[in-house]
Amino acid sequence: AQSVTQLDSQVPVFEEAPVELRCNYSSSVSVYLFWYVQYPNQGLQLLLKYLSGSTLVKGINGFEAEFNKSQTSFHLRKPSVHISDTAEYFCAVSDRSNTGKLIFGQGTTLQVKP
Amino acid sequence: NAGVMQNPRHLVRRRGQEARLRCSPMKGHSHVYWYRQLPEEGLKFMVYLQKENIIDESGMPKERFSAEFPKEGPSILRIQQVVRGDSAAYFCASSELAGVNEQFFGPGTRLTVL
Repeated sequence: AQSVTQLDSQVPVFEEAPVELRCNYSSSVSVYLFWYVQYPNQGLQLLLKYLSGSTLVKGINGFEAEFNKSQTSFHLRKPSVHISDTAEYFCAVSDRSNTGKLIFGQGTTLQVKP
Repeated sequence: NAGVMQNPRHLVRRRGQEARLRCSPMKGHSHVYWYRQLPEEGLKFMVYLQKENIIDESGMPKERFSAEFPKEGPSILRIQQVVRGDSAAYFCASSELAGVNEQFFGPGTRLTVL
């Protein structure tokens, strides 16, 4: 079984500052890793995903994440945030079975202040 | 190409009533996933369906909950005899293929049980 822990429930940051949202996972098998963003009253949108290959993954809206197998982490980063990045961010894993079901973390609320 | 559609967006039911949540996947997608988001929590996998088949229902409560994805028409998540603890946001996602393919999420149905 897999599990995902997002270490921070809320992250306040000023506009144009860098941000890191932390994600750790637990699994006895190899997994795929994802970050999703949820804007208020909307569904989830995929930011980026790690399947294999380079451990540094670049996504949409200037976000990137780095897969660290030894630390079982997949932290999300952005060098300079905008007000419009204010949203809920979810880290998720999927085992390499054919179902593709996602196991989500509890979510991190990113609050960008002017 | 329209995205994943869910209706209704908001549903209010009294305890003991039935709730029917509908999900129309993206055109060409034959794989549907249902997730539930309880207040202050992340999304929890409920069920994975392909056309006319339930593939994985390991996240479905044992009683009162059922899901279907008929050959024609939307996928339906049905909750019988709702209780207050069923109040949550229910999200549907669809994908073109199984496995690691990106899941596209709908806007969700927010169920409130009075």
